[in-house]
Parts: sequence; structure tokens; C-alpha cells
Amino acid sequence: KAGVTQTPRYLIKTRGQQVTLSCSPISGHRSVSWYQQTPGQGLQFLFEYFSETQRNKGNFPGRFSGRQFSNSRSEMNVSTLELGDSALYLCASSREPVTGYTFGSGTRLTVV
Amino acid sequence: KQEVTQIPAALSVPEGENLVLNCSFTDSAIYNLQWFRQDPGKGLTSLLLIQSSQREQTSGRLNASLDKSSGRSTLYIAASQPGDSATYLCAVPNTGNQFYFGTGTSLTVIP
Repeated sequence: KAGVTQTPRYLIKTRGQQVTLSCSPISGHRSVSWYQQTPGQGLQFLFEYFSETQRNKGNFPGRFSGRQFSNSRSEMNVSTLELGDSALYLCASSREPVTGYTFGSGTRLTVV
Repeated sequence: KQEVTQIPAALSVPEGENLVLNCSFTDSAIYNLQWFRQDPGKGLTSLLLIQSSQREQTSGRLNASLDKSSGRSTLYIAASQPGDSATYLCAVPNTGNQFYFGTGTSLTVIP
């Protein structure tokens, strides 16, 4: 069975630009969560979507946004990129009720 | 707010040794705990999921235990192999499906 697919795997963007990352969950999983991982802060929760609705949001500025489509695929967008946004962005999906998460391989974003 | 701590931060052992990784959490009102493995630059691979009603879970050479009342979980790896070298993370979700992660234990198994 296909796992969680994140695209692209790598991105290099310039400060001030915006970026969109994509996540396709495992078939049948309706909950999709996004995490940012940096060496200094570890894994931090960005937001969680279920049935196209954002259910939870972490402590990130409004430049970070997301959405979920009717097929459960999710995108996250970061506007006005800053150098500190360089990180590995991980997407995870799960069935509801939560019986454990499956993570994708991540998108490595580098802001220069 | 849930806080998750993992000890030790790094561990280096010779091949074949049995080892224990520790995870502690401050809020015992959890409904499950999940152990993950992360290879450098890669995503997280789920190893074991323990529901709050369970005391332990086993998968191959891995055994995870959970003591909710004391806020602790351990991951036991038997007969370690070089391929086990990775960072191991434990995570607990809150009621909002947000995971709180530990900072991880970086394991190196020396051939």
C-alpha cells in the first residue's frame, strides 16, 4: 500500500518568495498534520486538517498556512520566506480516531 | 503543556549489545505513545504504537513498554546491529491530535 507522499523532496527559494508544499496521505486517512523540523527546535507542530477543516494550529506566524482538499490531499504554503524557515517539513496522516501516524519522507526547504 | 524528554541524547554501543532508550512525559493523560526512527535527512518511520491500555508492544527485536502513572516509556533493542544506527524519537498526542516529540536519542552501533 502506498505511503504518505510529499513533493517536492527538495526546494531552494530566495528570501521573500513564497512556497507551496504538497502531501498525499495514505488512502483512507482523513487526518493530515504538518511538522517543521530544525536542528535547534526539533519537531514542531504546524497544523492539522481533517475533512478539509483545520482542526488545530501550532504556534507559527500567519505566513504559514495550509489547506486540505476533498480527496484528503493537503498543501502548506509559506509566504514571505525568511532564512529561519529553512527546515525539513514533514507531513503525517492517520485514520480517525487516531491509531498512530505515518510520516512522509519530508520536503527539505532551503531559503537563501 | 506536555513535555517529552528522552535520555540519553546520544548512545554508542558495540554490535550485539542489548540497549534501552528512555522517554518520559509530564502529562500522564495520554491515549497512546508512538516510537519512531529517523535516518539522517529522512522522514520518520513508525516502530511501535502503544495504546494507553497496553503495557508493552513487541516487533521483532524491539520491545516498548509504557507506564502511564509514572510518565515513562522505554524502547528495548535486542542484539543491536549497525543498521539500527539512527535517531529514535518518542511522541505522545494530545486530544487535538498534535504530537509532542522528544528531542530524540541518537544511536550509533559500532560493527
